[in-house]
Amino acid sequence: EAQVTQNPRYLITVTGKKLTVTCSQNMNHEYMSWYRQDPGLGLRQIYYSMNVEVTDKGDVPEGYKVSRKEKRNFPLILESPSPNQTSLYFCASRVILAASDTQYFGPGTRLTVL
Amino acid sequence: AQSVTQPDIHITVSEGASLELRCNYSYGATPYLFWYVQSPGQGLQLLLKYFSGDTLVQGIKGFEAEFKRSQSSFNLRKPSVHWSDAAEYFCAVFVSGAGSYQLTFGKGTKLSVIP
Repeated sequence: EAQVTQNPRYLITVTGKKLTVTCSQNMNHEYMSWYRQDPGLGLRQIYYSMNVEVTDKGDVPEGYKVSRKEKRNFPLILESPSPNQTSLYFCASRVILAASDTQYFGPGTRLTVL
Repeated sequence: AQSVTQPDIHITVSEGASLELRCNYSYGATPYLFWYVQSPGQGLQLLLKYFSGDTLVQGIKGFEAEFKRSQSSFNLRKPSVHWSDAAEYFCAVFVSGAGSYQLTFGKGTKLSVIP
């Protein structure tokens, strides 16, 4: 089954404690991205990656890092989380060949930073 | 930069009534447009997409959307709403080129359905 998986699904942490949210896709997609969703703001893109070792900033990259060492994985790293990063995070992937292709979303990770 | 506006934050309709959710986009060239739905506590599901051809697009769950270039709009419609349609709906525009490759979302419209 084609899917995007994220782990963990729920996470409560404290300010300053480094954390990583993993994202994996099994569709051999070149493109992967991270979004955060906040009430009244919709989804905003944090980072995206066009392929292995190719990453770029989205609209709200501050406080986040990503890496793309393998095609299937695109972890989101918060080196020093702060309460304003409390949010619902979605990973997504797609092919690049055609702009009309569908972007597939993971189930989401709800992060709370105390 | 591209942008998407969903003017209605919250809409309430009665079950069986018709529905129209508005979406306006700002982008210089022909956009690729999408509607996603998010049920409470769930991820995002693609309802339909437009990239070329017929401006009236059919999607899943009985939804359709019409692309109107002159109005920069891509409104979502359904002739008869079901209680299970209660969810949040997001319009999105996809842009590629000039070093950018991005799906930009509107802020969403929450739909409530009265039995």
